[in-house]
Amino acid sequence: DTEVTQTPKHLVMGMTNKKSLKCEQHMGHRAMYWYKQKAKKPPELMFVYSYEKLSINESVPSRFSPECPNSSLLNLHLHALQPEDSALYLCASSQDNLAELNEQFFGPGTRLTVL
Amino acid sequence: DAKTTQPPSMDCAEGRAANLPCNHSTISGNEYVYWYRQIHSQGPQYIIHGLKNNETNEMASLIITEDRKSSTLILPHATLRDTAVYYCIVRGLLINTGTASKLTFGTGTRLQVTL
Repeated sequence: DTEVTQTPKHLVMGMTNKKSLKCEQHMGHRAMYWYKQKAKKPPELMFVYSYEKLSINESVPSRFSPECPNSSLLNLHLHALQPEDSALYLCASSQDNLAELNEQFFGPGTRLTVL
Repeated sequence: DAKTTQPPSMDCAEGRAANLPCNHSTISGNEYVYWYRQIHSQGPQYIIHGLKNNETNEMASLIITEDRKSSTLILPHATLRDTAVYYCIVRGLLINTGTASKLTFGTGTRLQVTL
């Protein structure tokens, strides 16, 4: 299995809602990532988890809260989002964080719309 | 990580070679050149990477100039399915700082393959 899966594919939420994005991989990878991609822009790194510990937080607002319950799962909890947070949220994984040259495998993304 | 410069768009006829250039004049000795692509509405996909020697795999070839200030990704026989945004990324080997995994995407080249 060489896939990274993400659910849901699409999500529409209001500014007062709480929702979660889910990401799963069964490749035995120990590093997992969240990226945000606005329309017609490149992906931007948000968070990196390495061996289930948060390794990098790119100064992301606290209304985005990542969680890595185990080595196969990565969640992104959303609360009190703003319309400008509407974007494609991409999850990726790689063999690990510290060994260089590990290619990242990306999921198809969750397209989030905040009303 | 060094910045990269790519043309915003290119066209290529189906069956012909697509040559995508990338300038990375500030690259340092321990930085690798990576290429990813993103087909519309999908997550990015790893293509190839290299340090100083030319590299080839089943998807593409990577030609890096001797001074390493630029590189070219070659898709030998482009098909319509190769229509995508191609990202050239320079990435360092900061193994012990935990930042080795960071992929900083530039604006990329939008390749349109036509009949």
